[in-house]
Amino acid sequence: GAVVSQHPSWVICKSGTSVKIECRSLDFQATTMFWYRQFPKQSLMLMATSNEGSKATYEQGVEKDKFLINHASLTLSTLTVTSAHPEDSSFYICSARARGAGNTIYFGEGSWLTVV
Amino acid sequence: GNSVTQMEGPVTLSEEAFLTINCTYTATGYPSLFWYVQYPGEGLQLLLKATKADDKGSNKGFEATYRKETTSFHLEKGSVQVSDSAVYFCALLLNRDDKIIFGKGTRLHILP
Repeated sequence: GAVVSQHPSWVICKSGTSVKIECRSLDFQATTMFWYRQFPKQSLMLMATSNEGSKATYEQGVEKDKFLINHASLTLSTLTVTSAHPEDSSFYICSARARGAGNTIYFGEGSWLTVV
Repeated sequence: GNSVTQMEGPVTLSEEAFLTINCTYTATGYPSLFWYVQYPGEGLQLLLKATKADDKGSNKGFEATYRKETTSFHLEKGSVQVSDSAVYFCALLLNRDDKIIFGKGTRLHILP
């Protein structure tokens, strides 16, 4: 079946630095990718929607300049957390909608970010 | 607004017990409904889905029926196994904007 891969799975970074998380669709072209954030014991909150070749659409309350999203190709979207702080520590998960696949959306394995 | 409400956990059952996790939704329009499962240390996996009223989604012994009259999509399994221990998320998708809205998740513990 369709696979979405995220990298890295785990990352620890120093406060004030930036970290990039990649989301790749391995065997299909993803016209739309979504980035979610999951706090412990909470649901997944949609952060932004990205379409290939255009700017991401951010959900209300999500800082565009802090969470940079780039969807440079039909198989790759990146989330960069800029000037990370400990409160940015969370589980980030992406999903991708396959072109022509109806309502099927595939999720990546997620990336744990810890800012120290 | 659009939302998903599911029963709070954790839910603890013995192996081979009957499972029901309740899920109700509020949506403008006609959403598709999903159950996702998240095993420890892993990402989300689609468990089953239903795209219109009275559809029944099923997979791995789990079932859920799209009930428009009660705006519900309860997850059921007749005999749970230890390997079913995970967090289960009910979700809806509004076709027009592709946004998946999740419930808060229900943690399930199955005891041997």
